[in-house]
Amino acid sequence: QSVLTQPPSASETPGQRVTISCSGSSSNIGGNTVNWYQQLPGTAPKLLIYGNNQRPSGVPDRFSGSKSGTSASLAISGLQSDDEADYYCAAWDDSLNGVVFGGGTKLTVL
Amino acid sequence: EVQLLESGGGLVQPGGSLRLSCAASGFTFSNYAMSWVRQAPGKGLEWVSAISGSGGSTYYADSVKGRFTISRDSSKNTLYLHMNSLRAEDTAIYYCAKDRGGSFSTFNYWGQGTLVTVSS
Repeated sequence: QSVLTQPPSASETPGQRVTISCSGSSSNIGGNTVNWYQQLPGTAPKLLIYGNNQRPSGVPDRFSGSKSGTSASLAISGLQSDDEADYYCAAWDDSLNGVVFGGGTKLTVL
Repeated sequence: EVQLLESGGGLVQPGGSLRLSCAASGFTFSNYAMSWVRQAPGKGLEWVSAISGSGGSTYYADSVKGRFTISRDSSKNTLYLHMNSLRAEDTAIYYCAKDRGGSFSTFNYWGQGTLVTVSS
């Protein structure tokens, strides 16, 4: 049972937009910034969004993040087949004094 | 170019010990916090431990507290994870990750991972 809650799966057709949610509490998302990671099959995770809504250089602007209260969302527009991956949210937790991850969402591009 | 290269994984019996290393290059090692993150086979990511750039502050997940010790040697640009009293549930790929700065949860570079298998 992960501290941050994500849907286990999501799917959409190429070219469409998909949103992945991440729900937490006041001790993590509510009081700290949220980061998103993309993990392609068989590879190490990659930072996709940091500071709730900032993209590292090289990440396309099709990827965007937002946060409201104790929840955050990752949106991917103009879906492409190579967006098929696992997506994880993460944040610092002030009560646990550590980093917490969501359980991950497996995105399928139909 | 930032590079993180883990080593030290392998097969160990329950109750045994192992030391993982992560050789870092391409950045000023002592300026950045570092973490270990693991992933059990077919499962999600689990943060294990973090250490500040100076090494003066360390943090652990409850699942490893008292059994694992994180450390760093800035003269060797190397991060370590000393793992004792290993259990079957510690079986995972262990990644070292560099913090971007400021939050301890923004990992902007990851190693390729090293596999630890705990089994008799």
